[in-house]
Amino acid sequence: EDKVVQSPLSLVVHEGDTVTLNCSYEVTNFRSLLWYKQEKKAPTFLFMLTSSGIEKKSGRLSSILDKKELFSILNITATQTGDSAIYLCAVLQGAQKLVFGQGTRLTINP
Amino acid sequence: GAVVSQHPSWVICKSGTSVKIECRSLDFQATTMFWYRQFPKQSLMLMATSNEGSKATYEQGVEKDKFLINHASLTLSTLTVTSAHPEDSSFYICSAIGESSYEQYFGPGTRLTVT
Repeated sequence: EDKVVQSPLSLVVHEGDTVTLNCSYEVTNFRSLLWYKQEKKAPTFLFMLTSSGIEKKSGRLSSILDKKELFSILNITATQTGDSAIYLCAVLQGAQKLVFGQGTRLTINP
Repeated sequence: GAVVSQHPSWVICKSGTSVKIECRSLDFQATTMFWYRQFPKQSLMLMATSNEGSKATYEQGVEKDKFLINHASLTLSTLTVTSAHPEDSSFYICSAIGESSYEQYFGPGTRLTVT
């Protein structure tokens, strides 16, 4: 059975801390791995990772994929209260289908 | 950027009635649209994939006669929840991709509450 597992499920830190979110997967016909941020409504796209070992970076966020060990991490440095959200990891299976993990609920306290 | 809208954003209905949710791609033509369901504190679960002009493909365990999907044009897909029950209460999100992209653009979601 295809599955995407995220950890931790919930994380509470103080503003300024650095956090690492994990995503492991076992999905057939893997094409790429995507990270999304979900606040109150629909997910917004953060990164898409296709190749192993190449870090993608956007401001304080960065992510990397390990296709041998079948996992990805999302790092957020110098966290801010606006980073509080649910972070979703999804695997693009084949041409179009996204298989989502359960999400990590991140809370940044001031 | 590509924009996907949903209507309504929030709906309450009585048990046994049907509810229609619309998903529109506003500035691009969506050859494929997806419908997801998200229960509280859970992740998005794909319900079905719809291609314009053809029947939707439903995921295992999703009743096609209960969740009617129509993708009549390249900018509009509808999900009708028939004979809704309280357990159908959920957050329904659509997404769309265009011809030249595999990236899914998500709508803002519709929160359905069945009383």
